[in-house]
Amino acid sequence: KQEVTQIPAALSVPEGENLVLNCSFTDSAIYNLQWFRQDPGKGLTSLLLIQSSQREQTSGRLNASLDKSSGRSTLYIAASQPGDSATYLCAVGVGGATNKLIFGTGTLLAVQP
Amino acid sequence: DTEVTQTPKHLVMGMTNKKSLKCEQHMGHRAMYWYKQKAKKPPELMFVYSYEKLSINESVPSRFSPECPNSSLLNLHLHALQPEDSALYLCASSQATDSNEQFFGPGTRLTVL
Repeated sequence: KQEVTQIPAALSVPEGENLVLNCSFTDSAIYNLQWFRQDPGKGLTSLLLIQSSQREQTSGRLNASLDKSSGRSTLYIAASQPGDSATYLCAVGVGGATNKLIFGTGTLLAVQP
Repeated sequence: DTEVTQTPKHLVMGMTNKKSLKCEQHMGHRAMYWYKQKAKKPPELMFVYSYEKLSINESVPSRFSPECPNSSLLNLHLHALQPEDSALYLCASSQATDSNEQFFGPGTRLTVL
C-alpha cells in the first residue's frame, strides 16, 4: 500500500529565505507526482506536475525534483514571501489510467514578514 | 476558462435531508473526480469519472451517489448522511485519466447536523 509522508509537518521562516519541503513515498511505481498549495478552508491550487520520466519541473520561484528510486520529491521555494504561507501537499499518481492521487500529510508553511 | 467551480460553497443539512453538490468545468476535460477532506487531513479520493462513466468508486457508502450528466458537469447526491460525513468536498478535473494534471475547485463545506 502506497504511503506518502511530508516532513516537516510545519515550518516557519523569515521572509526572503530559500526553503525546501520534502515528500517521500513508499512504492516507487508511480505515474506522476503533483505539488499543491491549499489556503485555509479553500481548494487546492496545482503548482507543479512531474511525470515519472522527468527529474524536475520549474515554475517561477518554485522548483520540484523527483527521485523515483529513492521514493523522494522536494519542492524548493526561492526568496519566500508572506503570500507563500499555506499548506503544501504532494500527491503521487498511482492509478495510471485512473489517475488516482494519494496525498501526503502536508507541510504548513508560515513566512514571517 | 481554466476554472473548476463548485456550488454551494457551504451546506448545512440534517440527517434526513436530500441535497446535491454540483461541480462544473469548461476546460474540455474528460475526467472528473470527487474527493473528501476532513479537517487537518489530506484529501481522499471518492469517485472518478472518465468520459462520463464511473471508473472508480473507492468503497464509498451508498448514501453518496455521484452523477455525471455530461462532460462538463459532475454532481454528488447526498441522502441520509451522518455527522461524521461533515467535511470539505472537493471536485477536480483533468484532461483525461492518463497521468494528467488535476485541477481542483474551491470545495463545498458540508456540515451534517
